[in-house]
Amino acid sequence: DIQMTQSPSFLSASLGNSITITCHASQNIKGWLAWYQQKSGNAPELLIYKASSLQSGVPSRFSGSGSGTDYILTISNLQPEDIATYYCQHYQSFPLTFGGGTKLELK
Amino acid sequence: EVQLVESGGGLVQPGRSLKLSCLASGFTFSNYGMNWIRQAPGKGLEWVASISSSSSYIYYADTVKGRFTISRDNAKNTLYLQMTSLRSEDTALYYCARRGIRVHYFDYWGQGVMVTVSS
Repeated sequence: DIQMTQSPSFLSASLGNSITITCHASQNIKGWLAWYQQKSGNAPELLIYKASSLQSGVPSRFSGSGSGTDYILTISNLQPEDIATYYCQHYQSFPLTFGGGTKLELK
Repeated sequence: EVQLVESGGGLVQPGRSLKLSCLASGFTFSNYGMNWIRQAPGKGLEWVASISSSSSYIYYADTVKGRFTISRDNAKNTLYLQMTSLRSEDTALYYCARRGIRVHYFDYWGQGVMVTVSS
């Protein structure tokens, strides 16, 4: 099984700043990676797929990059509505697995 | 508008069974693979099961294999999860999620249904 390791688990940032979240796969997932945002009390929402493709309707301040085993989610110009928990997920093969999550808070 | 509405959750004793449903609307249900994903209270996301559009391909997480059965009725636009031999560790919010065409990320999610396994 492919293990997904996300870091950091918690992140505190100020409005207007940029943040990065990393996701490391235990083996090469060939870019088959998605990122999700989950706001408190809500279902997750897809942000990015295929490592760097922005889902329709997602603000352009969200971006993804990476290849092989290492991937990054970047949020630029942090907005109040970005406060949430973020998860990565590989879809290279079954079983599908998620990272442990990164909880983003306002400083 | 794509909508996924789960139902069938509740409180159940360990060892008992429960069947979840997910009613889909706003898209051609028979064209899309579907999934169940769960989230234990205060914890992260765990993929549970996946079924292809025609039910030809079905996959399960090891944690539920042999106990849970995913199925669908394309005529009723409904996805199911039959859960048997329930354990306390199955306590979670269960989400129904649509996957992308020929890919296994989840582009639409329901709001979830709570399953609590306790005596």
